[in-house]
Amino acid sequence: NAGVTQTPKFRVLKTGQSMTLLCAQDMNHEYMYWYRQDPGMGLRLIHYSVGEGTTAKGEVPDGYNVSRLKKQNFLLGLESAAPSQTSVYFCASRRGTQETQYFGPGTRLLVL
Amino acid sequence: AQSVTQLDSQVPVFEEAPVELRCNYSSSVSVYLFWYVQYPNQGLQLLLKYLSGSTLVESINGFEAEFNKSQTSFHLRKPSVHISDTAEYFCAVSDFSGGYNKLIFGAGTRLAVHP
Repeated sequence: NAGVTQTPKFRVLKTGQSMTLLCAQDMNHEYMYWYRQDPGMGLRLIHYSVGEGTTAKGEVPDGYNVSRLKKQNFLLGLESAAPSQTSVYFCASRRGTQETQYFGPGTRLLVL
Repeated sequence: AQSVTQLDSQVPVFEEAPVELRCNYSSSVSVYLFWYVQYPNQGLQLLLKYLSGSTLVESINGFEAEFNKSQTSFHLRKPSVHISDTAEYFCAVSDFSGGYNKLIFGAGTRLAVHP
């Protein structure tokens, strides 16, 4: 039981490049979330999903897109990376009947 | 919408001393409250939570937090800290506005335990 995993762990991009971050969970959780963590700001919700095939915007969705084609995977895409997207990205999941979110180890993204 | 204020960005403390990390949230309606801990270069781990029932909740490693509805607070305490408690601690509150259940996080408190 690996819990929540994230790929890659670290990435450097140039401005304008695109990339996809992968989140996978093996707990059969319905809900999945993408957050970004910036110094002094805690975690802010980017997008979330309440089930396979559904996604919705969170607090800071601009510049990001997501997809949830399979229940266990939640992908976060950056179509044209900007330096303001330099951050640590965390994925989380939870069971629909419970309140506790389980977090992945994070992806450090540096946009030059 | 909810908001969370962690009153101290950094808390330095000596080993075996007591510590309190303060957390206030904005609304007095029914809430779920959480403390998460983030050790260096790791993801967030749930430390403890309040959903209902007893207002005092405890973790397995000696931390406790008390839900105070009148003061809208959920302060985290430990009577004697260890070097291994050095980490960043995040308070979070559930928020049901906007039609979905989400967590609102505070900015975090960095606890530094010194020998």
